[in-house]
Amino acid sequence: DIQMTQSPSSLSASVGDRVTITCRASQSISNYLNWYQQKPGKAPKLLISAASSLQSGVPSRFSGSKSGTDFILTISSLQPEDFATYYCQQTYSTPFFGQGTKLEIK
Amino acid sequence: QVQLVESGGGLVKPGGSLRLSCAASGFTFNDYFMNWIRQAPGKGLEWVSYISSSGEAIFYADSVKGRFTISRDNAKNSLYLEMNSLRAEDTAVYYCAGGRAADGAFDIWGQGTMVTVSS
Repeated sequence: DIQMTQSPSSLSASVGDRVTITCRASQSISNYLNWYQQKPGKAPKLLISAASSLQSGVPSRFSGSKSGTDFILTISSLQPEDFATYYCQQTYSTPFFGQGTKLEIK
Repeated sequence: QVQLVESGGGLVKPGGSLRLSCAASGFTFNDYFMNWIRQAPGKGLEWVSYISSSGEAIFYADSVKGRFTISRDNAKNSLYLEMNSLRAEDTAVYYCAGGRAADGAFDIWGQGTMVTVSS
């Protein structure tokens, strides 16, 4: 199985901050990396697919990039509604989610 | 509107069985591959099972292989998960989710149904 190591597990930030979350694959997964946002008591929501493809309706402050086997989710200027838990997911082989990053208000 | 609605969750004793259903509406269900994903209380997301749009390809996580069975009925726009030999560690919210893009991303999710395995 291809494992995904997501960091950090939690992050405190303020409105307006730029934040990055990283996901590292245990082996090459090409661009088969997706990012989801989950708010308490709700289902996850797809933000970015194929490493960098922003889903329709997702604000442009969200972006995804890749460097080798590292994948990065960037939120350029945090808004109050962005405080949530974020998960990466590889779909190169049987799907596997990262451990999640809980983004909290500082 | 595009919607997935899970049902069938509840309280079951260890060793028991349960069948989850996921009803799709608002989109062409037989164009979509489908999955079950679960989330134990306070924990992260765990992928459980995958079924292709035609039903010909099926995969399971090692944690449920041999105990859970995924199936679909495209005529009824429905996805199912038959769960047998349930254990306490199967306690979780179970989500159905699907997609149709080659990247494999899950762009449609249900709201989840809670399964509690306890004596």
